[in-house]
Amino acid sequence: EAGVAQSPRYKIIEKRQSVAFWCNPISGHATLYWYQQILGQGPKLLIQFQNNGVVDDSQLPKDRFSAERLKGVDSTLKIQPAKLEDSAVYLCASSLIMVLAGGSYEQYFGPGTRLTVT
Amino acid sequence: ILNVEQSPQSLHVQEGDSTNFTCSFPSSNFYALHWYRWETAKSPEALFVMTLNGDEKKKGRISATLNTKEGYSYLYIKGSQPEDSATYLCAFKNDYKLSFGAGTTVTVRA
Repeated sequence: EAGVAQSPRYKIIEKRQSVAFWCNPISGHATLYWYQQILGQGPKLLIQFQNNGVVDDSQLPKDRFSAERLKGVDSTLKIQPAKLEDSAVYLCASSLIMVLAGGSYEQYFGPGTRLTVT
Repeated sequence: ILNVEQSPQSLHVQEGDSTNFTCSFPSSNFYALHWYRWETAKSPEALFVMTLNGDEKKKGRISATLNTKEGYSYLYIKGSQPEDSATYLCAFKNDYKLSFGAGTTVTVRA
């Protein structure tokens, strides 16, 4: 089965510019996640979708970040305008279902987009 | 935001030697503990999902243990090989969200 696809793999922009990342999850996976991983830190969840609805965006800086998953399949994450502190790897992950309580579930990750803001 | 700590931050190990490192997490409201291996320029790869206190899981030369009462998990690599060089991430599951540690970066020297 094909894995989670992300593009671009690398992006360099100047501060105050805009950038968009794209993610195509594993076919049939209802839940999609965007993570931000700053160097030296663990991945931090930015937003979680269940189909095309937002489950959690509590850590998304909404003044500059936006994400959508209009048809419940692929997703885009946008930063507008970018700041120096947005330099990070942006990981997309998907899982088959979202278990609300108990048990566990596997998240499958894409290779990430490495963003450098200069 | 949940506090998930991994130590050490990095380690170097000679090929053929064994090594281990730690993930500590909140001991309350525990659902699962995940381990991932993340090689440079690749996708993080799931190693283990552990849910029960006392769990031990093994995959080849890599194994993990879980203590949910005291809030820690160990990952062991036996007879390290260069292909084991990677960052190993643990993630604590509380409700529906994974909270990640910063990882332990392992470098295996030939």
